[in-house]
Amino acid sequence: DQQVKQNSPSLSVQEGRISILNCDYTNSMFDYFLWYKKYPAEGPTFLISISSIKDKNEDGRFTVFLNKSAKHLSLHIVPSQPGDSAVYFCAAPPINSGGSNYKLTFGKGTLLTVNP
Amino acid sequence: DARVTQTPRHKVTEMGQEVTLRCKPISGHDYLFWYRQTMMRGLELLIYFNNNVPIDDSGMPEDRFSAKMPNASFSTLKIQPSEPRDSAVYFCASTDRTNEKLFFGSGTQLSVL
Repeated sequence: DQQVKQNSPSLSVQEGRISILNCDYTNSMFDYFLWYKKYPAEGPTFLISISSIKDKNEDGRFTVFLNKSAKHLSLHIVPSQPGDSAVYFCAAPPINSGGSNYKLTFGKGTLLTVNP
Repeated sequence: DARVTQTPRHKVTEMGQEVTLRCKPISGHDYLFWYRQTMMRGLELLIYFNNNVPIDDSGMPEDRFSAKMPNASFSTLKIQPSEPRDSAVYFCASTDRTNEKLFFGSGTQLSVL
């Protein structure tokens, strides 16, 4: 029973365009979310996070939006670059963990390919 | 050292053999995690340690799997005996109380034939 779901296994976009990666969650009590990026033959690396008290968090070309009523979050990359090609995971820590990232539940990931 | 180090990077073994994966966390980090990535299940937490003590091993699939952390700079994940369904990428990660993020190693690609 996946509590964090990424329903699109892959996404392909043109360089310069917007990439939108989606993530749904089942437990409305989740209060913190993280996105990780993973290149082939490397471990995941932290990208951006958002607390449930916000509906948006921005860091350069990366913005995460949180829609609590829909239990949905999305990662926007604008403009997309070929170097953004990677697998993107959304993740959530246990409920009431105070933002602690211990025991993260990860989605299965979305492979983003940005074509030159 | 400012990165998590995992060895070996690749391991091919035959069913029934013992497999030992190794991890050196970032110096100063007091939390260590073992994750497994498969196509079917994605990234799943197997076990994590705090100050060398196992805190939660509920993700360990079965008794064939065991993990130890004899000191703050070293951990092992052992599979004995190994089975083809154990084939996956195994990641080690570390962090400390002040960090909101995990730092992952490059993983060990395990293939059990």
